[in-house]
Amino acid sequence: AQSVAQPEDQVNVAEGNPLTVKCTYSVSGNPYLFWYVQYPNRGLQFLLKYITGDNLVKGSYGFEAEFNKSQTSFHLKKPSALVSDSALYFCAVRDQRGNNRLAFGKGNQVVVIP
Amino acid sequence: DTAVSQTPKYLVTQMGNDKSIKCEQNLGHDTMYWYKQDSKKFLKIMFSYNNKELIINETVPNRFSPKSPDKAHLNLHINSLELGDSAVYFCASSGGQANTEAFFGQGTRLTVV
Repeated sequence: AQSVAQPEDQVNVAEGNPLTVKCTYSVSGNPYLFWYVQYPNRGLQFLLKYITGDNLVKGSYGFEAEFNKSQTSFHLKKPSALVSDSALYFCAVRDQRGNNRLAFGKGNQVVVIP
Repeated sequence: DTAVSQTPKYLVTQMGNDKSIKCEQNLGHDTMYWYKQDSKKFLKIMFSYNNKELIINETVPNRFSPKSPDKAHLNLHINSLELGDSAVYFCASSGGQANTEAFFGQGTRLTVV
C-alpha cells in the first residue's frame, strides 16, 4: 500500500528565507504526488502535483516541488517565506495502478518568524 | 459557489447518540471521500465512493455508514457515538482519474461529550 513520510514535526524559518518541507513516499508502482496546505480551522487546499514529465513542478503562492525518483522524494520549496505561509502542510501520494486511494503524510507545521 | 460543502460545521452531541454529516460537491466529480483528522492532525481515509459505488472501506467501526444517493452527495451516518469519535471529518471529491487532485470541504468538527 502507498504511504508518505514527513519526517519533521515543525519547520521554523525566518521571513524572507528559503522554506523546505520534506516528503518521501512509498508505492509499488509509479506515483502521483500532491501537496496540500491547511490553515487553522479550514479544509485542505491543493498547492501542486507531480504527474509525469518535468521533475520540478510549480504551484500556487510561489511554491514549487521537486520529484526525485531515485530518492523517492517530493520536497516542497519556496524561495522566500512569508509570515502568511505559516500553516500545516501535507504531502500525499496515489499509486498509478491503485484504487484511487490518496494517502497523506502526518503533516508538517510551518512557522515563519517575522 | 462552494465546491465541496459539508454540514454542519460544528456538531456537539452526547455519547450514544446517532448523527449524520452531509456532503455535496458541485464539481461534477465521480469520486468522493471521507477523511478523519484526529487531534494530532493525522488524516486517515475512511471511505471512498466512485459513481455511488463503494471502492475504499478502511478499517472503520461499522457504526460508521456512508451513503451516496447520487454521485454529487456522500453522507456519513454515525451510530452510537463514542468519545473517541471526536475529530474533524473532511469530505473531499476528485475526478475519476488517479492523477487528479482532491478538493476538500471545510470540515465538520464533531465533539462527543
